[in-house]
Amino acid sequence: DVKVTQSSRYLVKRTGEKVFLECVQDMDHENMFWYRQDPGLGLRLIYFSYDVKMKEKGDIPEGYSVSREKKERFSLILESASTNQTSMYLCASSFRGPNSYEQYFGPGTRLTVT
Amino acid sequence: DAKTTQPTSMDCAEGRAANLPCNHSTISGNEYVYWYRQIHSQGPQYIIHGLKNNETNEMASLIITEDRKSSTLILPHATLRDTAVYYCIVRLRSLRGANSKLTFGKGITLSVRP
Repeated sequence: DVKVTQSSRYLVKRTGEKVFLECVQDMDHENMFWYRQDPGLGLRLIYFSYDVKMKEKGDIPEGYSVSREKKERFSLILESASTNQTSMYLCASSFRGPNSYEQYFGPGTRLTVT
Repeated sequence: DAKTTQPTSMDCAEGRAANLPCNHSTISGNEYVYWYRQIHSQGPQYIIHGLKNNETNEMASLIITEDRKSSTLILPHATLRDTAVYYCIVRLRSLRGANSKLTFGKGITLSVRP
């Protein structure tokens, strides 16, 4: 079975802190994604990576950056956390190409910024 | 992307078949229908996808009408663990990059009662 793990299920940070969210997948997937999920807004794509060291902006990249140094690991960085970044963060992975919509999600990290 | 319309909620008895409808009347010829579900406090889970033929896997069956304007996800023997929000998504299959993102609508909340 595909396994996507995220470093924390719950995280509480203060405004202005630098926050790292880690995601690891064990299926040798080329693609990795970071989404955030908010009530009434659904899932929104923050960043996407299709290979090591490659990244593309999603719909809402402002205030975030990412790092993909190894194929299995994709990190989301909040440079200076703000209260409007309080959300559920979901990592996903998939193979590249026609099967890219068969995405496998991690359990999510619920981040609260106070 | 074709828009999808799903009822807000439905319920069914444990052990019975759950038939979840989805309308996608503006679907184009090369767009696929994907189904995902999200159990409370978990990340979304891929279920099944199809183009025009009916599909079946270990989780569910997907029935797509001949005109492809609607589809039905069938859980043949619903269990309490199938209680979740089910999302019907219509997308081209072979897009690359950040266009591989998934756009989840509000979905349909399925409640399986004992």
